[in-house]
Formats: sequence, structure tokens, C-alpha cells
Amino acid sequence: AQTVTQSQPEMSVQEAETVTLSCTYDTSESDYYLFWYKQPPSRQMILVIRQEAYKQQNATENRFSVNFQKAAKSFSLKISDSQLGDAAMYFCAYRRAYNTDKLIFGTGTRLQVFP
Amino acid sequence: DSGVTQTPKHLITATGQRVTLRCSPRSGDLSVYWYQQSLDQGLQFLIQYYNGEERAKGNILERFSAQQFPDLHSELNLSSLELGDSALYFCASSVGTGYGYTFGSGTRLTVV
Repeated sequence: AQTVTQSQPEMSVQEAETVTLSCTYDTSESDYYLFWYKQPPSRQMILVIRQEAYKQQNATENRFSVNFQKAAKSFSLKISDSQLGDAAMYFCAYRRAYNTDKLIFGTGTRLQVFP
Repeated sequence: DSGVTQTPKHLITATGQRVTLRCSPRSGDLSVYWYQQSLDQGLQFLIQYYNGEERAKGNILERFSAQQFPDLHSELNLSSLELGDSALYFCASSVGTGYGYTFGSGTRLTVV
């Protein structure tokens, strides 16, 4: 069975600094997708970034980028120039490439941003 | 507005009762997924429907059931409620590609 592990329950960062959130996963599949979701205090689940396993290039969305290491089954999220609004729970998620397959989530990392 | 509508937003009920949570997926999305998030926990997959048919089941209790109707909206029925069922219940929908799913704003269920 596929699993997603986030080993950092909490992280903190100073405003304008950079922080990296870790995620590892376990799968025997070769084709899959990885995601980072943000859950602010409002509890809404917001897609931050996605990565397709067959693409070697790391995904980037503005201040958010990933370091995807397929062989190591690692998928970390880097947030640059951190802002107070980045404070939230961040969940790493995995899904197989099969059409409509479900998302499997990690346990989350709570990010605090200090001014 | 994400395009996925969940009602009600909040629900308070007593132990032993039955409730129904409703989800309208984003227009064009055929798949609906239900997730449970207990306090400060990750999201646990409950069940998936695709175009009216059950597609996958996760850790869903026998007291819980779901269905997807011809208009693609879905309902999650929770019965014989226990205190431990108190959680945030999310619905998500997907068109079926590799893109991330769109989540509704959730239903906060409190069992007292």
C-alpha cells in the first residue's frame, strides 16, 4: 500500500526567509502524481503545487517550489520569501496515475511564520 | 468559491443520531471523494464515487454510507453517531485527470 510520511509536525520561519518542508512516500508504482496542499485556519484545502512523477523538472509556482527526488521517494516543498499568510498546515499527498484514483495524505506540517 | 459546495457547514447532533452531509461537485467533475479529518489530524479517505457508482472504499465505518445521484451530487450518511465521529468532513471532486482535486469547505460535525 502507498504511504506518505511527513516527519516534521511543526516548523517555523521568519518572515522573508526560506523554509523547506519534508515529505517522503512509499510506492511500487512508477507513474504517479504528488501534491502539496495548504490548509489555513479557515480549514479550506488549497492546492499549492503538483508534480508529475515522469517529469524530472521540479515544479515551481511563484514562491513555492519542490525538490522531487524520485529514486529517494522524497518530495520537499520550499517556500521562499515567507509571508505571514503562509502560516498554515501543509499536507503532502500522493495519487497513482490511474484515472480518478484517490489522494493519500501525510499527517501534515504546521508552519508558523514570525514577523 | 472552489466550485465544490458542501452543506451544511456546521452540524451539532447527539450521540445515536443520524445525519446526512451533502456535496455538489464542481461542474463537469464526475468523481466525488469523501474524507474525514479529525482534530489536528490528516485527511482519511472514506469513499469515492464515479458517475454514480462506488469506485473505491477506504476506512469507512459500517455505520457510514454514501451515494452519488444522477445529477452527480453526493450524500454521506452517518448513523448511530458516537463522540469520536466528531470531525471535519470534506468532499472533493475531480474530472479524472492528474490534476489535484478541488475540495469543498467541509462540514464540521460535532457529536455531543
